[in-house]
Amino acid sequence: DAKTTQPTSMDCAEGRAANLPCNHSTISGNEYVYWYRQIHSQGPQYIIHGLKNNETNEMASLIITEDRKSSTLILPHATLRDTAVYYCIVRPPGGKLIFGQGTELSVKP
Amino acid sequence: GAVVSQHPSRVICKSGTSVKIECRSLDFQATTMFWYRQFPKQSLMLMATSNEGSKATYEQGVEKDKFLINHASLTLSTLTVTSAHPEDSSFYICSAQDAGSGNTIYFGEGSWLTVV
Repeated sequence: DAKTTQPTSMDCAEGRAANLPCNHSTISGNEYVYWYRQIHSQGPQYIIHGLKNNETNEMASLIITEDRKSSTLILPHATLRDTAVYYCIVRPPGGKLIFGQGTELSVKP
Repeated sequence: GAVVSQHPSRVICKSGTSVKIECRSLDFQATTMFWYRQFPKQSLMLMATSNEGSKATYEQGVEKDKFLINHASLTLSTLTVTSAHPEDSSFYICSAQDAGSGNTIYFGEGSWLTVV
Protein backbone atom coordinates (compact mmCIF):
# COMPACT_ATOMS: atom_id res chain seq x y z
CA ASP A 1 0.00 0.00 0.00
CA ALA A 2 1.08 3.53 -0.70
CA LYS A 3 2.42 5.32 2.36
CA THR A 4 1.26 8.78 1.37
CA THR A 5 -1.99 10.73 1.41
CA GLN A 6 -2.75 13.37 -1.19
CA PRO A 7 -5.88 15.34 -2.09
CA THR A 8 -7.76 13.78 -4.96
CA SER A 9 -7.85 16.94 -7.03
CA MET A 10 -6.82 20.58 -7.06
CA ASP A 11 -7.30 23.57 -9.32
CA CYS A 12 -4.79 26.32 -9.98
CA ALA A 13 -4.95 29.48 -12.05
CA GLU A 14 -2.47 29.78 -14.87
CA GLY A 15 0.57 31.82 -13.85
CA ARG A 16 0.00 31.27 -10.15
CA ALA A 17 1.96 28.97 -7.90
CA ALA A 18 0.57 25.46 -7.48
CA ASN A 19 1.15 24.03 -4.02
CA LEU A 20 0.52 20.29 -3.81
CA PRO A 21 0.50 18.79 -0.31
CA CYS A 22 1.42 15.27 0.71
CA ASN A 23 1.20 13.54 4.06
CA HIS A 24 3.63 10.75 4.89
CA SER A 25 3.37 10.46 8.64
CA THR A 26 4.84 6.93 8.77
CA ILE A 27 7.97 7.74 6.78
CA SER A 28 11.13 6.03 7.99
CA GLY A 29 14.39 7.82 8.62
CA ASN A 30 16.10 6.60 5.46
CA GLU A 31 13.15 6.97 3.08
CA TYR A 32 13.11 9.64 0.42
CA VAL A 33 10.13 11.64 -0.80
CA TYR A 34 9.77 11.47 -4.58
CA TRP A 35 7.42 13.39 -6.84
CA TYR A 36 6.37 12.30 -10.31
CA ARG A 37 3.65 13.50 -12.61
CA GLN A 38 1.72 11.75 -15.34
CA ILE A 39 0.15 13.54 -18.22
CA HIS A 40 -2.70 11.61 -19.77
CA SER A 41 -1.61 8.50 -21.68
CA GLN A 42 2.08 9.04 -21.06
CA GLY A 43 4.65 7.49 -18.74
CA PRO A 44 5.31 9.28 -15.43
CA GLN A 45 7.83 12.10 -15.46
CA TYR A 46 10.33 12.52 -12.63
CA ILE A 47 10.06 15.92 -10.96
CA ILE A 48 12.13 16.06 -7.80
CA HIS A 49 13.06 14.18 -4.66
CA GLY A 50 14.44 14.89 -1.21
CA LEU A 51 15.35 13.36 2.11
CA LYS A 52 15.02 16.14 4.69
CA ASN A 53 16.32 19.34 3.16
CA ASN A 54 14.27 21.48 0.85
CA GLU A 55 15.13 20.97 -2.78
CA THR A 56 14.75 23.06 -5.92
CA ASN A 57 15.34 22.34 -9.58
CA GLU A 58 14.23 23.80 -12.88
CA MET A 59 10.80 22.23 -12.58
CA ALA A 60 9.75 22.67 -8.98
CA SER A 61 10.58 23.12 -5.33
CA LEU A 62 10.09 20.51 -2.63
CA ILE A 63 9.47 21.64 0.92
CA ILE A 64 9.74 18.94 3.58
CA THR A 65 8.64 19.68 7.13
CA GLU A 66 11.18 19.34 9.88
CA ASP A 67 9.51 16.22 11.28
CA ARG A 68 9.36 14.84 7.71
CA LYS A 69 5.73 13.84 8.12
CA SER A 70 4.56 15.98 5.24
CA SER A 71 5.83 17.81 2.20
CA THR A 72 4.68 20.27 -0.43
CA LEU A 73 5.55 20.36 -4.09
CA ILE A 74 5.56 23.87 -5.49
CA LEU A 75 5.24 24.69 -9.17
CA PRO A 76 6.11 28.40 -9.06
CA HIS A 77 4.27 29.56 -12.19
CA ALA A 78 1.81 26.94 -13.34
CA THR A 79 1.03 26.66 -17.04
CA LEU A 80 -1.69 24.74 -18.83
CA ARG A 81 0.90 22.08 -19.66
CA ASP A 82 1.30 21.36 -15.95
CA THR A 83 -2.17 19.81 -15.88
CA ALA A 84 -1.48 16.22 -14.82
CA VAL A 85 -1.76 13.70 -12.01
CA TYR A 86 0.96 14.32 -9.43
CA TYR A 87 2.23 11.44 -7.34
CA CYS A 88 4.03 11.78 -4.03
CA ILE A 89 5.89 8.56 -3.19
CA VAL A 90 7.96 7.50 -0.22
CA ARG A 91 10.82 5.26 -1.27
CA PRO A 92 13.63 3.55 0.64
CA PRO A 93 17.13 3.89 -0.90
CA GLY A 94 17.23 1.82 -4.09
CA GLY A 95 13.74 0.54 -3.45
CA LYS A 96 10.58 0.28 -5.51
CA LEU A 97 8.18 3.08 -6.38
CA ILE A 98 4.68 2.21 -5.19
CA PHE A 99 2.10 4.57 -6.63
CA GLY A 100 -0.98 5.81 -4.80
CA GLN A 101 -3.87 7.65 -6.41
CA GLY A 102 -2.11 11.01 -6.66
CA THR A 103 -3.53 14.49 -7.04
CA GLU A 104 -5.18 15.50 -10.29
CA LEU A 105 -4.06 19.08 -10.86
CA SER A 106 -6.05 21.17 -13.29
CA VAL A 107 -4.46 24.44 -14.37
CA LYS A 108 -7.11 26.79 -15.66
CA PRO A 109 -6.72 29.88 -17.88
CA GLY B 1 16.69 13.63 -17.06
CA ALA B 2 17.74 10.25 -18.36
CA VAL B 3 15.86 8.74 -21.27
CA VAL B 4 13.96 5.47 -21.26
CA SER B 5 12.34 4.27 -24.45
CA GLN B 6 9.64 1.67 -24.98
CA HIS B 7 8.65 -0.12 -28.14
CA PRO B 8 6.09 -0.53 -29.51
CA SER B 9 4.00 2.37 -28.29
CA ARG B 10 0.82 0.64 -29.44
CA VAL B 11 0.17 -2.96 -30.36
CA ILE B 12 -2.90 -4.98 -31.21
CA CYS B 13 -2.75 -8.74 -31.02
CA LYS B 14 -5.16 -11.62 -31.28
CA SER B 15 -6.27 -13.67 -28.31
CA GLY B 16 -3.96 -16.57 -27.64
CA THR B 17 -0.90 -15.01 -29.18
CA SER B 18 2.13 -13.54 -27.42
CA VAL B 19 3.44 -10.02 -27.63
CA LYS B 20 6.79 -8.60 -26.60
CA ILE B 21 7.41 -5.08 -25.31
CA GLU B 22 10.93 -3.68 -25.15
CA CYS B 23 12.30 -1.19 -22.66
CA ARG B 24 15.65 0.50 -23.25
CA SER B 25 17.67 2.92 -21.20
CA LEU B 26 19.20 5.14 -23.88
CA ASP B 27 21.85 7.14 -22.04
CA PHE B 28 22.60 5.15 -18.92
CA GLN B 29 23.02 1.58 -17.78
CA ALA B 30 20.28 0.10 -15.66
CA THR B 31 20.92 -2.87 -13.45
CA THR B 32 17.35 -2.67 -12.29
CA MET B 33 14.22 -2.02 -14.29
CA PHE B 34 10.58 -2.16 -13.26
CA TRP B 35 7.39 -3.06 -15.13
CA TYR B 36 4.00 -1.56 -14.35
CA ARG B 37 0.48 -1.95 -15.67
CA GLN B 38 -2.16 0.75 -15.64
CA PHE B 39 -5.86 0.35 -16.36
CA PRO B 40 -7.99 3.36 -17.37
CA LYS B 41 -8.61 5.83 -14.57
CA GLN B 42 -6.44 3.84 -12.18
CA SER B 43 -2.96 4.31 -10.79
CA LEU B 44 0.13 2.40 -11.83
CA MET B 45 0.44 -1.12 -10.45
CA LEU B 46 3.91 -2.59 -10.07
CA MET B 47 4.14 -5.98 -11.75
CA ALA B 48 7.76 -6.97 -11.33
CA THR B 49 11.32 -5.89 -10.73
CA SER B 50 13.77 -6.87 -13.42
CA ASN B 51 17.42 -7.37 -12.53
CA GLU B 52 20.11 -7.72 -15.17
CA GLY B 53 21.43 -11.24 -15.38
CA SER B 54 19.01 -12.76 -12.90
CA LYS B 55 15.38 -13.75 -12.60
CA ALA B 56 12.76 -11.08 -12.18
CA THR B 57 10.96 -10.64 -8.89
CA TYR B 58 7.20 -10.58 -9.32
CA GLU B 59 4.68 -8.81 -7.12
CA GLN B 60 2.02 -10.83 -5.38
CA GLY B 61 -0.76 -11.89 -7.72
CA VAL B 62 1.24 -11.41 -10.93
CA GLU B 63 1.64 -14.63 -12.93
CA LYS B 64 5.30 -15.07 -13.80
CA ASP B 65 4.55 -17.65 -16.47
CA LYS B 66 2.18 -15.29 -18.21
CA PHE B 67 4.30 -12.16 -18.00
CA LEU B 68 7.81 -13.21 -18.96
CA ILE B 69 10.53 -10.73 -18.18
CA ASN B 70 14.04 -10.88 -19.57
CA HIS B 71 16.75 -8.41 -18.61
CA ALA B 72 19.62 -9.66 -20.73
CA SER B 73 21.71 -6.50 -20.85
CA LEU B 74 22.25 -3.32 -18.87
CA THR B 75 20.17 -1.33 -21.31
CA LEU B 76 17.36 -3.67 -22.30
CA SER B 77 14.52 -5.41 -20.52
CA THR B 78 11.62 -7.11 -22.28
CA LEU B 79 8.14 -8.03 -21.16
CA THR B 80 6.37 -10.80 -23.05
CA VAL B 81 2.66 -11.24 -22.48
CA THR B 82 1.99 -14.87 -23.31
CA SER B 83 -1.32 -16.32 -24.45
CA ALA B 84 -2.85 -12.89 -24.31
CA HIS B 85 -6.52 -12.44 -23.47
CA PRO B 86 -8.72 -9.36 -23.80
CA GLU B 87 -8.43 -8.72 -20.06
CA ASP B 88 -4.67 -8.24 -20.56
CA SER B 89 -5.44 -5.13 -22.58
CA SER B 90 -3.80 -2.31 -20.68
CA PHE B 91 -1.13 0.39 -20.63
CA TYR B 92 2.23 -1.20 -19.79
CA ILE B 93 4.98 1.07 -18.54
CA CYS B 94 8.60 0.32 -17.80
CA SER B 95 11.09 2.26 -15.75
CA ALA B 96 14.80 2.07 -15.18
CA GLN B 97 16.95 2.95 -12.20
CA ASP B 98 19.89 5.23 -12.91
CA ALA B 99 22.65 4.55 -10.39
CA GLY B 100 24.52 7.53 -11.81
CA SER B 101 21.87 9.94 -10.57
CA GLY B 102 21.40 8.62 -7.08
CA ASN B 103 19.20 5.70 -8.15
CA THR B 104 16.53 7.98 -9.56
CA ILE B 105 13.97 6.02 -11.56
CA TYR B 106 12.97 7.20 -15.02
CA PHE B 107 9.96 5.98 -16.96
CA GLY B 108 9.35 5.04 -20.55
CA GLU B 109 6.52 6.43 -22.64
CA GLY B 110 4.34 3.38 -22.09
CA SER B 111 2.92 0.77 -24.44
CA TRP B 112 -0.78 0.35 -25.16
CA LEU B 113 -1.72 -3.30 -25.62
CA THR B 114 -5.09 -4.22 -27.08
CA VAL B 115 -5.99 -7.90 -27.29
CA VAL B 116 -8.83 -8.68 -29.69
